[in-house]
Amino acid sequence: QLQLQESGPGLVKPSETLSLTCTVSGASIISSGFYWGWIRQPPGKGLEDVGTVYYNGGSYYNPSLKSRLTISLDTSRNRFSLRLTSVTAADTAVYFCVSLTRGDFGPIDSWGQGTQVTVSS
Amino acid sequence: DIQMTQSPASLSASIGDRVTITCRASQGIGIYLNWYQQKPGRAPKVLIYAASTLQSGVPSRFSGSGSGTDFTLTISSLQAEDFATYYCQQSRSTPYTFGQGTKLGIK
Repeated sequence: QLQLQESGPGLVKPSETLSLTCTVSGASIISSGFYWGWIRQPPGKGLEDVGTVYYNGGSYYNPSLKSRLTISLDTSRNRFSLRLTSVTAADTAVYFCVSLTRGDFGPIDSWGQGTQVTVSS
Repeated sequence: DIQMTQSPASLSASIGDRVTITCRASQGIGIYLNWYQQKPGRAPKVLIYAASTLQSGVPSRFSGSGSGTDFTLTISSLQAEDFATYYCQQSRSTPYTFGQGTKLGIK
């Protein structure tokens, strides 16, 4: 059974860089057709697609975040990471790592439990 | 980006009621529409994908329909555990946008 677990700091200062890691168990992150992504949810609000890295290392980023965002695979540790630079209070949210194992057009079929990130000095 | 609009934003219903939530896409997305349920403090989970396919393990009282721009999620007979927030999401093109959510509460 596929399981995802987020890790990273809960508090980040404005203008600094947010780094989160998602450790995957139950599947290899280089399994053909598997996609790995991040979804965030600001307090009391809805869900936002942050971006996705594909099993082959390709990626796409939400255009609203593209200039500040990097999502990458760490195949040696079977995990993937998010790096968001120059954070502001608007980046405060619960960040979920997710998997899409049905390839193009498929749903998000597994979610991590989520990690709260607060941007504050 | 494709905009997803859900209605209603909130809904009150009783155990045993039939409930329908609608989702409209700003452009045609074929059948690439997914429905998720989220309970407070928890991650969402997928209920329906490809507009009408029930995810394994999800009760059959949940059903989905639609194609193109208009979609519905129906709960045939509400149970206590169904009170939650429901989101639609299109997976036709990136970014995979979500509706704003429908909060289903107890009447």
